Amino acid sequence: GAVVSQHPSWVICKSGTSVKIECRSLDFQATTMFWYRQFPKQSLMLMATSNEGSKATYEQGVEKDKFLINHASLTLSTLTVTSAHPEDSSFYICSAFMDSNSYGYTFGSGTRLTVV
Amino acid sequence: KQEVTQIPAALSVPEGENLVLNCSFTDSAIYNLQWFRQDPGKGLTSLLLIQSSQREQTSGRLNASLDKSSGRSTLYIAASQPGDSATYLCAPEGDKIIFGKGTRLHILP
Repeated sequence: GAVVSQHPSWVICKSGTSVKIECRSLDFQATTMFWYRQFPKQSLMLMATSNEGSKATYEQGVEKDKFLINHASLTLSTLTVTSAHPEDSSFYICSAFMDSNSYGYTFGSGTRLTVV
Repeated sequence: KQEVTQIPAALSVPEGENLVLNCSFTDSAIYNLQWFRQDPGKGLTSLLLIQSSQREQTSGRLNASLDKSSGRSTLYIAASQPGDSATYLCAPEGDKIIFGKGTRLHILP
């Protein structure tokens, strides 16, 4: 089956620093990857869609200069939270899509970010 | 734009009951539909995937149906157990997945 590895699973950082989260598809090539954010007791909100080798498409209200997404290969996408603030503390989760109906979307295990 | 509604928002029932969770979505141009469960503070666990050409899928005590044309899916849980307590998310898969708010399920021992 399709497996997506997300790292780190949790991270604590100081305000003003940047944090990078990695999302890797381990046994398939992902044409598209997605990044979601989930605040406590709320649903997952789509932040952005990234295709390999092109700029990410951000959802309305998501600051592209704050949440930098790089999709340099068909197996790796990264989300960098720049100049983090306490309000950026959240659960971030990625999803990868292979161009096949059999796998659908596969999700990483998520990253809990706490900014202090 | 896809909008997903899940009913009920929350459900608390005694152990052993059979349950029905409902999902409706506005854009029927989907490839598949997945049902996930999410435990508090955790990621998503895929339960069932129904391809758009299928009408239902079964896994153990779980059965999910899909009526793509009407934008509806149902998750049926038989003989519920306390371990089934979680939030259940319906995910219609088009060019992206937009999640609804889910159904918070609590099974009482």
